[in-house]
Amino acid sequence: GAVVSQHPSRVICKSGTSVKIECRSLDFQATTMFWYRQFPKQSLMLMATSNEGSKATYEQGVEKDKFLINHASLTLSTLTVTSAHPEDSSFYICSASLREKLFFGSGTQLSVL
Amino acid sequence: QKEVEQDPGPLSVPEGAIVSLNCTYSNSAFQYFMWYRQYSRKGPELLMYTYSSGNKEDGRFTAQVDKSSKYISLFIRDSQPSDSATYLCAMSGLGGGADGLTFGKGTHLIIQP
Repeated sequence: GAVVSQHPSRVICKSGTSVKIECRSLDFQATTMFWYRQFPKQSLMLMATSNEGSKATYEQGVEKDKFLINHASLTLSTLTVTSAHPEDSSFYICSASLREKLFFGSGTQLSVL
Repeated sequence: QKEVEQDPGPLSVPEGAIVSLNCTYSNSAFQYFMWYRQYSRKGPELLMYTYSSGNKEDGRFTAQVDKSSKYISLFIRDSQPSDSATYLCAMSGLGGGADGLTFGKGTHLIIQP
């Protein structure tokens, strides 16, 4: 299957700082990438859809100024959590589409102190 | 009624048993059906992918889709402790993964040695 690389796998930061998470499709080009958030023992919650070269589309209730998404190339999308607060602590997962399938990164555990 | 219903479990079975995991859905527009396996604090891994109705087999895994009943299943034969994970069903319309997936909540599976 196709490989999606996500970094970092874990990050701990102080409240008020910004954190950037990278998502790369290693062996294919992904026109569309997705960002999810997952709380313990819950399913994936779609945050936004990212299309290369255009603005991301955010799901209802997701603050676009808080969660900045950039998809500058066909193999890289980034999610920046700005001015992080403890309530932003969560597991963030990216995914990239290859034809009709969706492949996921390994996830980033964000802990905001 | 949610678009995709999946029993969260936990489902606990002895090693070697046949496991049956199921999802029901309400949207008749769904055409692509997938099963993902997710280990704790990891990204989901695509296990099985089917288009429209029918069966698909890959090693110990068999995926079944019955569009007339809006019901999909994943069977695991000769279950192993390493199969212990959360299994998510996912589905999409004709656009496939590029249009995003609708996920079930996931079933937590425990294989007892």
